[in-house]
Amino acid sequence: DSGVTQTPKHLITATGQRVTLRCSPRSGDLSVYWYQQSLDQGLQFLIQYYNGEERAKGNILERFSAQQFPDLHSELNLSSLELGDSALYFCASSVGLTGGRNEQYFGPGTRLTVT
Amino acid sequence: GESVGLHLPTLSVQEGDNSIINCAYSNSASDYFIWYKQESGKGPQFIIDIRSNMDKRQGQRVTVLLNKTVKHLSLQIAATQPGDSAVYFCAENIGGGSYIPTFGRGTSLIVHP
Repeated sequence: DSGVTQTPKHLITATGQRVTLRCSPRSGDLSVYWYQQSLDQGLQFLIQYYNGEERAKGNILERFSAQQFPDLHSELNLSSLELGDSALYFCASSVGLTGGRNEQYFGPGTRLTVT
Repeated sequence: GESVGLHLPTLSVQEGDNSIINCAYSNSASDYFIWYKQESGKGPQFIIDIRSNMDKRQGQRVTVLLNKTVKHLSLQIAATQPGDSAVYFCAENIGGGSYIPTFGRGTSLIVHP
């Protein structure tokens, strides 16, 4: 158990819908990262938040957005869902900001299926 | 575009053997590299990292080697155990002061008892 929790574990929804994925980081961790893992694209970094502020952006679509709240939990919002958005979405957390040695702890993931 | 790749999609070894998983990267600006292990049904797990100013770093039963001349990264696992069976990813960070990783496709390591 990494100490990072994600809800829900599974989510099935239809194209065009909007969903919210939730992540609670390990106690004491200030950074939260979101990743997407799909069969065709592999693991991709989406976005990072540190202490409530966006710090780095990867391959995140405009239809996707995220935020980190004062209690440090984070939400990833996916809208206008398409079949290709079906994937595993992981959240990770770390103590530090970024750049240097920055061991991240991953949650168990949310499996999103868009039908 | 530039990307991180893996030479072998599957590696099968016998328990007790040493395993070597390779990774090629193409971005000479990458300054930080990480190896992750992902077991079936679980999220990735950090194994070891290395900065570009080093060429070797050792952990518990694992060693990462970085050859910047040929842009090659390897993960060596000593005395491989069945519990090491997983998919291994390398990642390179091109973000400089920020963390913007690019991941390889992964190598599946199968350890036979």
